[in-house]
Amino acid sequence: AQSVTQPDIHITVSEGASLELRCNYSYGATPYLFWYVQSPGQGLQLLLKYFSGDTLVQGIKGFEAEFKRSQSSFNLRKPSVHWSDAAEYFCAVGGAGTALIFGKGTTLSVSS
Amino acid sequence: GAVVSQHPSRVICKSGTSVKIECRSLDFQATTMFWYRQFPKQSLMLMATSNEGSKATYEQGVEKDKFLINHASLTLSTLTVTSAHPEDSSFYICSADRRGGYNEQFFGPGTRLTVL
Repeated sequence: AQSVTQPDIHITVSEGASLELRCNYSYGATPYLFWYVQSPGQGLQLLLKYFSGDTLVQGIKGFEAEFKRSQSSFNLRKPSVHWSDAAEYFCAVGGAGTALIFGKGTTLSVSS
Repeated sequence: GAVVSQHPSRVICKSGTSVKIECRSLDFQATTMFWYRQFPKQSLMLMATSNEGSKATYEQGVEKDKFLINHASLTLSTLTVTSAHPEDSSFYICSADRRGGYNEQFFGPGTRLTVL
């Protein structure tokens, strides 16, 4: 079955500390992988995406993610978290021309 | 960049009425559009896939007679929630798949539906 697992429901990180959000996927074809961020009551904002090529992907707002095929993972990282990063983060997988399958999301809280 | 709009952004209606939500790709053509639903503090769940000029494909458990989807042009898909009830209250998000290349899907800002 095709699925995305985000093992961490809620993470709290101190401002200025590093962040890693985990994402594992199960997909039968070549996966296209995405990370989105959503603030309360808002739509989705694309942070980064992986289609092919370099497995380390740079995104907006200082985020990066690394695709590891052998581990079926696409973890999101940021070296130094800002209070404005507090939001809901969704990992998603899809194929060419198909709908995306989303994980359940990870809520990020940032403490001062 | 590619922009997808949704209208309205927020709607409140009485139980039993119908509500239409529009999803438009503003600067590209979208052969395929997708409709998702998001309950509070939950993830997005695919409701249906909408292809221009053909009937929508609904996911299991989604009532096609309740959630009417029309994709009349390459830039417009509409979702009509018929005879809405409070349990239909949710955040509805569309995405449009830009023709060609990778799976370049662009999401609309969402529509918050509240049924009283």
